[in-house]
Amino acid sequence: SAVISQKPSRDICQRGTSLTIQCQVDSQVTMMFWYRQQPGQSLTLIATANQGSEATYESGFVIDKFPISRPNLTFSTLTVSNMSPEDSSIYLCSVLSGVAQYFGPGTRLLVL
Amino acid sequence: DQQVKQNSPSLSVQEGRISILNCDYTNSMFDYFLWYKKYPAEGPTFLISISSIKDKNEDGRFTVFLNKSAKHLSLHIVPSQPGDSAVYFCAASAAGNQFYFGTGTSLTVIP
Repeated sequence: SAVISQKPSRDICQRGTSLTIQCQVDSQVTMMFWYRQQPGQSLTLIATANQGSEATYESGFVIDKFPISRPNLTFSTLTVSNMSPEDSSIYLCSVLSGVAQYFGPGTRLLVL
Repeated sequence: DQQVKQNSPSLSVQEGRISILNCDYTNSMFDYFLWYKKYPAEGPTFLISISSIKDKNEDGRFTVFLNKSAKHLSLHIVPSQPGDSAVYFCAASAAGNQFYFGTGTSLTVIP
């Protein structure tokens, strides 16, 4: 398994600003993922962050809106840029370790 | 297109009885399935998995059944306990690629 921490755990932001979410893993992992869970919805994959290469974004998500960094095998950041109320969601970092994905505790974001 | 579906958004069960959570999938290439449990304000936690070469996997009170011909899997919890009250997600992947998640079933175990 893997132990994952995220910062911040929650935030309230103004429309038009940006927030960077940090994800730290207690072991080196190749694949890290960023998900979003909007109220009443399933977990939606935003992008896959691989160390040493650009992130791979899913349909409906673009790098300008959700830039991702992956400077090493234990850390990644997701930035939610130019936020609007529609970005209010829980953002989750996840890693593939062994045969399962493990999730961080999530960052609860509210955009006013 | 939702490849993994959980058609019951909620389920209530009496303590001590069996909870059965269901999940259907459409992609016949899926070969690995997982169940996650999520408490409010926490990330999902891995519960139990099953490979497509099996039709059953058991871990304590939790058993996952896989019916490949029906593209259906289920999670059985017996006996159900109040601490099992949470949202349960099923997930599926093909050949170790990304996991696709269902929309979740909120389980309430009534004391």
